Amino acid sequence: GQNIDQPTEMTATEGAIVQINCTYQTSGFNGLFWYQQHAGEAPTFLSYNVLDGLEEKGRFSSFLSRSKGYSYLLLKELQMKDSASYLCAAAQGAGNKLTFGGGTRVLVKP
Amino acid sequence: DTGVSQDPRHKITKRGQNVTFRCDPISEHNRLYWYRQTLGQGPEFLTYFQNEAQLEKSRLLSDRFSAERPKGSFSTLEIQRTEQGDSAMYLCASSSPQEAGPYNEQFFGPGTRLTVL
Repeated sequence: GQNIDQPTEMTATEGAIVQINCTYQTSGFNGLFWYQQHAGEAPTFLSYNVLDGLEEKGRFSSFLSRSKGYSYLLLKELQMKDSASYLCAAAQGAGNKLTFGGGTRVLVKP
Repeated sequence: DTGVSQDPRHKITKRGQNVTFRCDPISEHNRLYWYRQTLGQGPEFLTYFQNEAQLEKSRLLSDRFSAERPKGSFSTLEIQRTEQGDSAMYLCASSSPQEAGPYNEQFFGPGTRLTVL
């Protein structure tokens, strides 16, 4: 079956770096998405990996290893506004439906 | 383009009532998805459409749930005989493989929060 695992919660200090790990087991894998979701709001797209390696977008980077079923999201120079839930999602099948992990709630402290 | 919109944003209903939600995707996005999210969890896939065709339904979508996209634009999700376990945020997302950039990401609407009393 499908399984996406990520830590439930992480705490970090403003200005620091945090790495959120995600492991997945899915069929028909089409790539790995990371979304950010603030409380009560819709998920917003952060990054996408389909090939092995690192993708960098400003303060956010994402890594994928398809052979290990592993990804991480790296948040650098943390800001208070980065306090949110971060969702790891595997895209599957012809329709690219997303199977999400439970989300990692990141709390940034001053 | 104003993004994906959903209506209503909040719905409170009594157990046993029927409810209908509407989703308007980004213009000319041919794929439309419905997800359900409960508090503290990630979204769960319910169903998706390509144009007007419903191509996949999750096992989560019991026979009390029905979704339509009659003209390939907006979509409706109806829940009949609601139960307390149906209380959740119902999210709609759209994407367009043909026009997408390198990511083909899904764009999410603000959701409809359903509370069944």
